Amino acid sequence: GEDVEQSLFLSVREGDSSVINCTYTDSSSTYLYWYKQEPGAGLQLLTYIFSNMDMKQDQRLTVLLNKKDKHLSLRIADTQTGDSAIYFCADNDMRFGAGTRLTVKP
Amino acid sequence: EAGVAQSPRYKIIEKRQSVAFWCNPISGHATLYWYQQILGQGPKLLIQFQNNGVVDDSQLPKDRFSAERLKGVDSTLKIQPAKLEDSAVYLCASISGSYEQYFGPGTRLTVT
Repeated sequence: GEDVEQSLFLSVREGDSSVINCTYTDSSSTYLYWYKQEPGAGLQLLTYIFSNMDMKQDQRLTVLLNKKDKHLSLRIADTQTGDSAIYFCADNDMRFGAGTRLTVKP
Repeated sequence: EAGVAQSPRYKIIEKRQSVAFWCNPISGHATLYWYQQILGQGPKLLIQFQNNGVVDDSQLPKDRFSAERLKGVDSTLKIQPAKLEDSAVYLCASISGSYEQYFGPGTRLTVT
């Protein structure tokens, strides 16, 4: 069946850039999402990208989409300790990856 | 605007008991989703409603899970009877005509 996959862990230093990667299998996905989940909280929509775009920038967040390789990435510039959380990508049909736990060290 | 509301926030039951969760989506949001999030995993879609009709319930274990959204607003998700593997956080989300999905805080279910 269709699937969404992510690496499970990422650790960066405060001030560095973070890049979280995601691959998906459903080539018909019209839009793809990035969510953030802090401990004990629900999911917060960070950003989404339409399949006819290859890049979207929103303040410190940059989403890159490679449709040919079915690869999605989220770059967080100037990563702060408050960015420590689990980040999920999801496809058009609300299939989620397992989440990438981002740890930001001071 | 008020967010997606869910209750209860926590529930502990014994296996074979029944449990129900409630969700009140953001006002005016026609589409409502229920997800199951097992610890360490991403959310898994259980059911999607459009107003009071079911759009997708292909991953809902219908032998024990049921959901309804009678007036196209609030929704309830029921498990009867519960199993140990049902221990999870149950998330409700709603979406308006745009592509932005808003999640509630979830109900953490522990089955002992």
